[in-house]
Amino acid sequence: EAGVAQSPRYKIIEKRQSVAFWCNPISGHATLYWYQQILGQGPKLLIQFQNNGVVDDSQLPKDRFSAERLKGVDSTLKIQPAKLEDSAVYLCASSLVGSGSTDTQYFGPGTRLTVL
Amino acid sequence: GQNIDQPTEMTATEGAIVQINCTYQTSGFNGLFWYQQHAGEAPTFLSYNVLDGLEEKGRFSSFLSRSKGYSYLLLKELQMKDSASYLCAPWSTLGRLYFGRGTQLTVWP
Repeated sequence: EAGVAQSPRYKIIEKRQSVAFWCNPISGHATLYWYQQILGQGPKLLIQFQNNGVVDDSQLPKDRFSAERLKGVDSTLKIQPAKLEDSAVYLCASSLVGSGSTDTQYFGPGTRLTVL
Repeated sequence: GQNIDQPTEMTATEGAIVQINCTYQTSGFNGLFWYQQHAGEAPTFLSYNVLDGLEEKGRFSSFLSRSKGYSYLLLKELQMKDSASYLCAPWSTLGRLYFGRGTQLTVWP
């Protein structure tokens, strides 16, 4: 069974530029998560989708971050404009059910973003 | 909100046993996950506890005490490949996973 796929694996941009990350979850997984992991810290949830609806985006900086999951499968996370403090690894995870039901989240390899 | 506390670093030698402690304070609690994360890689699932007690899985075991807000991960017969960060992650009743900063374990030969 294929795991969670993410691209690109690495991205270097200058501040005020925009960037987009892509995620393809495990086939059949209804719930998709985007996390931000700053060096030396644990992952922090940015947004959670159940199928194509947003369940939780309370920690998403909505002035610059946006995410969508239009067909309930793939998802993109965008940052516009980027700031230096956005330098981090962006992890995508998926789970079979999620949202109120306890099941395991499986993570993709992540995208390492460096903002100069 | 969530308050999760685990040691920043631990060291041990090959073949030894190490216990990584985690204390948490949550506004709603549904269970607790442990993840392993090697440098530059994604977190991978190790264990999940929802009831009090010990869950054993090969060389790894995890313990939970809900009343004390306390969990530990026990790693036996340590191997070099166990050098990694271990993340304690309470699961809230709202369906959200909260991660601690992680404990960086270094295993020496």
